[in-house]
Amino acid sequence: EAGVAQSPRYKIIEKRQSVAFWCNPISGHATLYWYQQILGQGPKLLIQFQNNGVVDDSQLPKDRFSAERLKGVDSTLKIQPAKLEDSAVYLCASSLGPGGDEKLFFGSGTQLSVL
Amino acid sequence: AQKITQTQPGMFVQEKEAVTLDCTYDTSDPSYGLFWYKQPSSGEMIFLIYQGSYDQQNATEGRYSLNFQKARKSANLVISASQLGDSAMYFCAMRGNNFNKFYFGSGTKLNVKP
Repeated sequence: EAGVAQSPRYKIIEKRQSVAFWCNPISGHATLYWYQQILGQGPKLLIQFQNNGVVDDSQLPKDRFSAERLKGVDSTLKIQPAKLEDSAVYLCASSLGPGGDEKLFFGSGTQLSVL
Repeated sequence: AQKITQTQPGMFVQEKEAVTLDCTYDTSDPSYGLFWYKQPSSGEMIFLIYQGSYDQQNATEGRYSLNFQKARKSANLVISASQLGDSAMYFCAMRGNNFNKFYFGSGTKLNVKP
């Protein structure tokens, strides 16, 4: 079974530039999550999708971050414009959803450096 | 509000000894799930063990066991016979009842000494 795919693996940009991350969850997984993990901290949920609807985006800085999950499968997360404090690892995860297998499956993450 | 607390930023353990990583949680949900994940320096998040709030017995997976004390709202991870490869960050997480939301603690960095 293929895991959660994320790209790119690394990205270096200048502040005020834009960047996009892509995630393809495990086939059949209804729930998709984007987490931000700053060095030395636990993952912080940015946005959660159930199929192609947003369940929670309360911690997404909507003035600069946007995310979509068209057709309820893969997803993109965009930052425009980036700030220095956006330097972090962006983790995508998926799960079967309510009533399914409990655990989250994570991708390898995208390490973003904003200079 | 849902909250996960890991009070040990870092821990050392001697190889082959057992170690306990602490986790307490706060929730008002009637049912929930508790998880531990391992994050080596390579960055991937590896699922270790799961405990459901209604499970009567503590979960075990190989060298990992979860010491679940519901009344105290604690879900400590016990690693027996530590190995050098166990050196990593360890995160406690809770799945709430509402739309499968997951909440993570701040992590514990475990160093296994030879």
